[in-house]
Amino acid sequence: GQSLEQPSEVTAVEGAIVQINCTYQTSGFYGLSWYQQHDGGAPTFLSYNALDGLEETGRFSSFLSRSDSYGYLLLQELQMKDSASYFCAPSSYNTDKLIFGTGTRLQVFP
Amino acid sequence: ETGVTQSPTHLIKTRGQQVTLRCSSQSGHNTVSWYQQALGQGPQFIFQYYREEENGRGNFPPRFSGLQFPNYSSELNVNALELDDSALYLCASSLDRDSVSPLHFGNGTRLTVT
Repeated sequence: GQSLEQPSEVTAVEGAIVQINCTYQTSGFYGLSWYQQHDGGAPTFLSYNALDGLEETGRFSSFLSRSDSYGYLLLQELQMKDSASYFCAPSSYNTDKLIFGTGTRLQVFP
Repeated sequence: ETGVTQSPTHLIKTRGQQVTLRCSSQSGHNTVSWYQQALGQGPQFIFQYYREEENGRGNFPPRFSGLQFPNYSSELNVNALELDDSALYLCASSLDRDSVSPLHFGNGTRLTVT
C-alpha cells in the first residue's frame, strides 16, 4: 500500500528559502522524485533521490532519509516564477509506476 | 528533440459519448503513461504502455482503454463518458518503463463533460 503526505500550501517572499516536506509510506520503496507544475502547465521533472542525503541542482535541492520515510525539496533564492505546485512521488518495486500525491502549492510574494 | 505533444488541447463532450485523446511521445522514448488530473489534485495514474503492450493500470474502470503504436505514439479512449471524467488528461513519455526514468509530460487535453 501507499500513503503520501505534503503540506497543501506554503507561502514565502522573494529571495527567501522554503522547504517542502514529504512523508511517505510505500511498500517496496526505492526512490523519491519531485515534479513542478505551473498553473495550466505540464508537470516537469526536478529531481530524483535513491540514496540518503542531499542532491543539489542549482537553486533547488532534494533530500531523502529512507529510515525516516521522509524527504524534502529545498528552494533557495526564491523567485516569483517559482510559484507553482510541487509534487513528491515515491517509486516502488511493487508497482513501479509513479504515483503522485495532491502536491504543495507554493506562492511567492514580492 | 521534439517534446511530448497532445491533441486536442481542449474538448467538450456530453455524457454517454466516447472520446479519443492522442499523444506523440518524445523522440527515443518507448514508454507512454497516461494520467488524469482533476482541478486542485495531483495526477492520477491511468495506465502505461511499453512497446505497444499495456504495462500496468491504475484504479480506473475498463471504459478507459488505450493503445500504443509502433512509433510509440499513443491513444487514450474513454467510453460512456460521465460528468466526473471532466479533467486534464496528461500523457507522459519516458526512456523506459521503470519509475526511475523521468516522465516528460505533454501540456494535456482539457476534457469537459456536460
